[in-house]
Amino acid sequence: AQSVSQHNHHVILSEAASLELGCNYSYGGTVNLFWYVQYPGQHLQLLLKYFSGDPLVKGIKGFEAEFIKSKFSFNLRKPSVQWSDTAEYFCAVGGGGADGLTFGKGTHLIIQP
Amino acid sequence: ETGVTQTPRHLVMGMTNKKSLKCEQHLGHNAMYWYKQSAKKPLELMFVYSLEERVENNSVPSRFSPECPNSSHLFLHLHTLQPEDSALYLCASSGGGIADTQYFGPGTRLTVL
Repeated sequence: AQSVSQHNHHVILSEAASLELGCNYSYGGTVNLFWYVQYPGQHLQLLLKYFSGDPLVKGIKGFEAEFIKSKFSFNLRKPSVQWSDTAEYFCAVGGGGADGLTFGKGTHLIIQP
Repeated sequence: ETGVTQTPRHLVMGMTNKKSLKCEQHLGHNAMYWYKQSAKKPLELMFVYSLEERVENNSVPSRFSPECPNSSHLFLHLHTLQPEDSALYLCASSGGGIADTQYFGPGTRLTVL
C-alpha cells in the first residue's frame, strides 16, 4: 500500500531563514510526486511536481524539491522564506493518469516577521 | 480561481437528512475526484471518475454515493451520515494524462449533527 510521511507537522521560522520540509513515500510502481500548498482561506494549489527527468524540480515562488529515489524522498526547500509563505504544505504521491493521490498529513509552516 | 467550483461551501445536516454536494470543473478535464479532509488526518481519496466511469472506490461507506453525469460535473449524495463524517470534502479534476496535475476546488465544510 502506498503511504506518505511528512516528518514535521509544525514549523516556525523567521523571515529569511532557509526551509527544508521532509517527505518520504512508499509506492510500488512508477511514481509521480507533488507538493501542494494551502494558504489561509485559499484552495489547495500545486507548488511543484516530479514525474520524470531531472530529479531537482523547481516550482513557483522560489520553491524547489529533490527526488532521491534511493531514499524514497522528495524534500521541499526554499533558501529564504518570506512572511507570505505561511501556509499548510502537503506532499503527495500518485501513479499518474487518473490515479488518485495519497497525501501526507501536512506541515503547518509559520513565518514570523 | 474558478477552475473547479463546489457548492455549497458550508452544510449542516442532521443524521437523518439527505443532501448532495456538487462539483463543477471548467478546465475541460476527463477525470474527477472526491477527497475527504478530516482534522488531524491526511486527505483521503474517496472516489475517482475517468471519462464518467467510476474507476476507484476506496472502501467508502455506502452512505456516500457519487454520481458523474458528464465530464464537467460530479456529485456526492449523502444520506444517514454520522457525526464522524463531519469534514471538509474536496473535489478535484485532472486531464487524466500520465503527468497531469489535479486541480482542487475550495471544498464543502460539512457538519453532521
